[in-house]
Amino acid sequence: QVQLQESGPGLVKPSQTLSLTCTVSGDSMTTGTYYWSWIRQPAGKGLEWIGRVFASGNTNYNPSLKSRVTISVDTSKNQFSLKLNSVTAADTAVYFCARDNRAKGFDYWGQGTLVTVSS
Amino acid sequence: DIVMTQSPDSLAVSLGERATINCKSSQSVLYSYNNKNYLAWYQQKAGQPPKLLIYWASTRESGVPDRFSGSGSGTDFTLTISSLQAEDVAVYYCQQYYDPPPWTFGQGTQVEIK
Repeated sequence: QVQLQESGPGLVKPSQTLSLTCTVSGDSMTTGTYYWSWIRQPAGKGLEWIGRVFASGNTNYNPSLKSRVTISVDTSKNQFSLKLNSVTAADTAVYFCARDNRAKGFDYWGQGTLVTVSS
Repeated sequence: DIVMTQSPDSLAVSLGERATINCKSSQSVLYSYNNKNYLAWYQQKAGQPPKLLIYWASTRESGVPDRFSGSGSGTDFTLTISSLQAEDVAVYYCQQYYDPPPWTFGQGTQVEIK
C-alpha cells in the first residue's frame, strides 16, 4: 500500500521560503511511470495543483506559481520536496503531496500539512 | 489552462435519493488516440485529503461503492450518487489531467443531507 507523508514547518514568515518534504513508502519512486505532485488548498477553498516531479528530476509547474516554485526529488530517500519562495499570506494553505498517475489522476494522497504564513 | 466549472456549488439530497453533480471543461479532455477522457472525480470529507472515486470519466476506482458512477465525454461530465448515504456527505471535485499540464480542478460541490 502506497503511503505519502508531508513534513515541514507549519509557520513561515512573509517573504521567506516555504519548504516541505514528502516521504513515499510502499513504492519506490524509481519504478513505474508515476510523477509526484504537490497540491494546495486554502482553508474553505478549492484545490490548486502546484507542480510535479519525475524520478529523473523532470518537472512541470503551474504557470501561476512557476516563478516562485522549485520541486526536487531525492530517490535515495524516496522523497520529493517543495520550495516556494517570497511567500505571502495568500500562500497559507494545507499542502498535499500525491502520486500523479497518468491513467487515473491523483490516486494516492498524503494527509496534508497546514502551512501558515504570518509574522 | 483548461477551466473546470462545476454545478451546482451545493446540493441537499434526502437519504436514499439520487445526487447529480455536473462538470464542464473549457476544452475537450478526450484523447482521440485511445478514446479516453482524462477526467477524474474526487470525494473530500472534512479534515481529510481528497479520495479518488472515478477516473477516465467513468471508471470506478477499486473499492469505491457502485452507487457512484461517472458519465460524459468531451467537455461535459456528470457524477451520480444513485442512493445517497450519510457517509457520502462531502465536497466533490472534478479534475482534468489532459496533457500538457497544468492540471486543474473544479471549484467543488458540497453534498449534504436534506
